[in-house]
Amino acid sequence: NAGVTQTPKFRILKIGQSMTLQCAQDMNHNYMYWYRQDPGMGLKLIYYSVGAGITDKGEVPNGYNVSRSTTEDFPLRLELAAPSQTSVYFCASVAGGGHYEQYFGPGTRLTVT
Amino acid sequence: GENVEQHPSTLSVQEGDSAVIKCTYSDSASNYFPWYKQELGKRPQLIIDIRSNVGEKKDQRIAVTLNKTAKHFSLHITETQPEDSAVYFCAASHSGNTPLVFGKGTRLSVIA
Repeated sequence: NAGVTQTPKFRILKIGQSMTLQCAQDMNHNYMYWYRQDPGMGLKLIYYSVGAGITDKGEVPNGYNVSRSTTEDFPLRLELAAPSQTSVYFCASVAGGGHYEQYFGPGTRLTVT
Repeated sequence: GENVEQHPSTLSVQEGDSAVIKCTYSDSASNYFPWYKQELGKRPQLIIDIRSNVGEKKDQRIAVTLNKTAKHFSLHITETQPEDSAVYFCAASHSGNTPLVFGKGTRLSVIA
């Protein structure tokens, strides 16, 4: 199993540009999450999904959108990038059914200038 | 919503000494409390977790204690080694499936 994969690893965006951060997992996990981690800070939840077709907002959803058309994929869309979105983005997944460990992807480091 | 406070923000110990990191949470419905270790530039890695029906859990040099009445839990690392140097995060959630709320992290430095 590849586990949780994220692409790209690094990206520099200009203010106002848009992009999609990709996240995929091959463990058939129902639950998936997007977090952002600002320098020297903990992780904050952006959006999450409890299964294909179901998404919900987290603590910091403004400026982002998600979709979950399949169990495997959970892309995060940034529209009109702003410097405040400069951060490291982590995707994570959980199996559910009594299995609690969150598996994290390697992260995407995004800089908006 | 849930709020998790973590202390201290930085901690330096001599190699071989013990390190203790403490977290408090606000939501009495929280039942799952994991601890993550994050090395520079890497993803968070789960090192130990505890559920609310247990007061203490140990895995070799690492232990976690939970006091549900006081709403706090702690990470204990004994016989620290230089490779324990990293940022440690506590987190809480209602169950393993619900999103985690993270503390702000503790930067642990183990001095050889």
